[in-house]
Amino acid sequence: DVKVTQSSRYLVKRTGEKVFLECVQDMDHENMFWYRQDPGLGLRLIYFSYDVKMKEKGDIPEGYSVSREKKERFSLILESASTNQTSMYLCASSFPAQSQETQYFGPGTRLLVL
Amino acid sequence: AQSVTQLDSQVPVFEEAPVELRCNYSSSVSVYLFWYVQYPNQGLQLLLKYLSGSTLVKGINGFEAEFNKSQTSFHLRKPSVHISDTAEYFCAVSRYSGNTGKLIFGQGTTLQVKP
Repeated sequence: DVKVTQSSRYLVKRTGEKVFLECVQDMDHENMFWYRQDPGLGLRLIYFSYDVKMKEKGDIPEGYSVSREKKERFSLILESASTNQTSMYLCASSFPAQSQETQYFGPGTRLLVL
Repeated sequence: AQSVTQLDSQVPVFEEAPVELRCNYSSSVSVYLFWYVQYPNQGLQLLLKYLSGSTLVKGINGFEAEFNKSQTSFHLRKPSVHISDTAEYFCAVSRYSGNTGKLIFGQGTTLQVKP
């Protein structure tokens, strides 16, 4: 059974804090993705990674960075959290270089920045 | 550039009634099309996808979707819904070529099934 796990379901942070969101997949997928989900906006891609140490900006990368030191782990970093980064964050993974491949999602981390 | 529009933000329907969730896309290149479902407090899971071939695609839980190239639509249907189908549904598109694996999602449609 495929599995994508995220380190926290709920997180409360203060403005200016550095925040780490962790994602781990056990399917040996090359591709990993970070999205944020906001009501009425659907899912928007923040960053994705197609291999270890490789990353590419998505549609809304500002204020975020990522790290992929191991194939199974993809971290999203909020360098200095702001209230407009309060959102649901979803991680996903898929097989490489195949546009038609299914993306598998984690349960999400709901982040509140005060 | 591709884009996806889900025409209804909320669709209320009674149990055992049929439902259609509408999705239109725009793209200058061939695309793959997907429907994902998100049950409360969960991540997304794939319902079905269109890659090529038959324009009628069957998915899990009795859902199906029809790809209409001339109308650039990929509407999702179910002939008889259950309370357990209450969820948010997302239409998505990916590029046929370029092989980035990235998806572009619509805004989502909340299906509310009432007893």
